[in-house]
Amino acid sequence: SAVISQKPSRDICQRGTSLTIQCQVDSQVTMMFWYRQQPGQSLTLIATANQGSEATYESGFVIDKFPISRPNLTFSTLTVSNMSPEDSSIYLCSAEVGYGYTFGSGTRLTVV
Amino acid sequence: AQSVAQPEDQVNVAEGNPLTVKCTYSVSGNPYLFWYVQYPNRGLQFLLKYITGDNLVKGSYGFEAEFNKSQTSFHLKKPSALVSDSALYFCAVRDMKSNSGYALNFGKGTSLLVTP
Repeated sequence: SAVISQKPSRDICQRGTSLTIQCQVDSQVTMMFWYRQQPGQSLTLIATANQGSEATYESGFVIDKFPISRPNLTFSTLTVSNMSPEDSSIYLCSAEVGYGYTFGSGTRLTVV
Repeated sequence: AQSVAQPEDQVNVAEGNPLTVKCTYSVSGNPYLFWYVQYPNRGLQFLLKYITGDNLVKGSYGFEAEFNKSQTSFHLKKPSALVSDSALYFCAVRDMKSNSGYALNFGKGTSLLVTP
C-alpha cells in the first residue's frame, strides 16, 4: 500500500498568517483528499484534489481560505490562510489506492 | 449521501474480555465500509474493510468485523481485548458522489478504553 509523508507534523502559528501543509505519496495516485479533525471531533472532508484540475470543495470550505495545489500525481499541498484560533485542528491528507485509503500522519495546528 | 453512525461515544471493557464497537450504515447501493484506529498524536491506521464477498472480514491486530445487510451494521469485534487497544476507532463509508472523488465519510468515532 502507498505511504504518505506529511509535514509539518505540528506548528504553532500567529493569527492572520498562513501555513502550507505538504503531502508526498510514494506512488502515483489519482485522487487525494484533505480532511480537518477539530478537537474531539471526527474527520470532515475539506476538498478533493485531482491532478490537473481545480480542487473540489465541500460545503463550508472555500478556496480562498484553503487553497490546494496538486501539481503532479504524487504531491499535494493545503494552505490554511489568514488563520484564526478556530482553525486550530489536525489536518490530514489521504489518497485512494485501489479500494483502500491511506492517510498521512497529520498536522496538528495551533493558532494563537 | 452515504453515511455511517457510531452510537457509542465510549466503550469500556476489561482486558481479556471480548470487545465490540458498533457501526451502522445508511447507503444507496452496496457499501464499501472501513474501520480505522487513531492512537493519541498519531495518524489513522487502517484495520479492515468490506468491499464484497465474505461477510466476516478479518483485519489487523486480531480485529474482525461482520457485515450484516439486514441490520445495516458493520460492528468491529475482537475476542480478547488488550490494554494497548485503547484508542479512538472510526467507522467510514466510501462516498459515491463522483464530484468528491469517492472520499470516505467518517462516523463520529468511539473511544475504546481497555482496563487492566
